[in-house]
Amino acid sequence: RKEVEQDPGPFNVPEGATVAFNCTYSNSASQSFFWYRQDCRKEPKLLMSVYSSGNEDGRFTAQLNRASQYISLLIRDSKLSDSATYLCVVNMNTGGFKTIFGAGTRLFVKA
Amino acid sequence: GAVVSQHPSRVICKSGTSVKIECRSLDFQATTMFWYRQFPKQSLMLMATSNEGSKATYEQGVEKDKFLINHASLTLSTLTVTSAHPEDSSFYICSARGTEGRNSNQPQHFGDGTRLSIL
Repeated sequence: RKEVEQDPGPFNVPEGATVAFNCTYSNSASQSFFWYRQDCRKEPKLLMSVYSSGNEDGRFTAQLNRASQYISLLIRDSKLSDSATYLCVVNMNTGGFKTIFGAGTRLFVKA
Repeated sequence: GAVVSQHPSRVICKSGTSVKIECRSLDFQATTMFWYRQFPKQSLMLMATSNEGSKATYEQGVEKDKFLINHASLTLSTLTVTSAHPEDSSFYICSARGTEGRNSNQPQHFGDGTRLSIL
């Protein structure tokens, strides 16, 4: 089982749609959580951190459920420019610090 | 804040050439920098973790003599691909994490990446 798992998609949605991505992690020693966005042939860019209390930034809402070891990202009112790959990222301390990247979920937003 | 600069952004060279890639944290100090490689339509693959003032930690299957890493200061890490061959062609990306507390709760910030093409 992978340490961080994401639905690879692709998700094909029309503009204006609400789309949700899920991510699960297997190691309970995981300490901090992030969503990154990666455009084609570009580097990943930090989208937002994820907290148990939830984190909202405009149209984006991230949520963490430690009991279920589950992270989510909700995008409301999708824009064409939201088309990208979304990476779930987990930092953990297992005798040494380690960052695990999910394989990413591909999103296509169409007009 | 948290800007990471990577240079060069694109390299095209002949087989057998050694290529040096620089990764700089511009507005913060980074005790730890990471080097990744990404092939088309595949996930990021961590190659090595670079710690300032000490030897890099390489992931399994990554040849340390092939991919030389130097992290001589808190703002600069370099990756040298020695005697590069066509199979080394890939997108190389560095990232850096700040020094705020010796914990893992800081996110990584990525450089723009270097697209390496070996002919």
